Amino acid sequence: ETGVTQTPRHLVMGMTNKKSLKCEQHLGHNAMYWYKQSAKKPLELMFVYNFKEQTENNSVPSRFSPECPNSSHLFLHLHTLQPEDSALYLCASSHTTGPDSYEQYFGPGTRLTVT
Amino acid sequence: DAKTTQPNSMESNEEEPVHLPCNHSTISGTDYIHWYRQLPSQGPEYVIHGLTSNVNNRMASLAIAEDRKSSTLILHRATLRDAAVYYCILRDGAGGTSYGKLTFGQGTILTVHP
Repeated sequence: ETGVTQTPRHLVMGMTNKKSLKCEQHLGHNAMYWYKQSAKKPLELMFVYNFKEQTENNSVPSRFSPECPNSSHLFLHLHTLQPEDSALYLCASSHTTGPDSYEQYFGPGTRLTVT
Repeated sequence: DAKTTQPNSMESNEEEPVHLPCNHSTISGTDYIHWYRQLPSQGPEYVIHGLTSNVNNRMASLAIAEDRKSSTLILHRATLRDAAVYYCILRDGAGGTSYGKLTFGQGTILTVHP
């Protein structure tokens, strides 16, 4: 248990569905991250939020829409996804985004399958 | 971004030491060396990090070459629970475009035999 929870743990959705992934951290951190881990590929950073402000969008398609209503919660809204979007989506948090916050804490991930 | 090179896989026996190498020949003076590991069906977890000096913590030791072009993660007594993918990552501490980011590579798959 890292203090970062993600729901749901597994999600199957059709290409025309709209769904949301939720991440919550109980660590008092100010930075939160979304990563994507596809089969046979390294983890890819998608979005970064620091003090609720988005500081990084790593050229992610607009069918992925993040939301950070406060420093403890992070959402990833999904719509009209493609089968190649099937992956493990990981949330992480850290004190801030600066290098003095050397440790990122990861949640267990949401396994997404797009049919 | 400065890149790292790690062996695809390594094997060890339980209770023996494990030395996981990482090459980072293009490392800059402000890059920190971080190690994370990812156990099966879990998110990555932080193991250790360092800049120039060797570092020890309860999980592992990090040995950094004098020229900083390579480093070695040392697990002093491997257990079955240490079977995981180990990632060596350079993290920019200078404030450039990759400031503070973790860029994961393929990592090394460590198998521990009973």
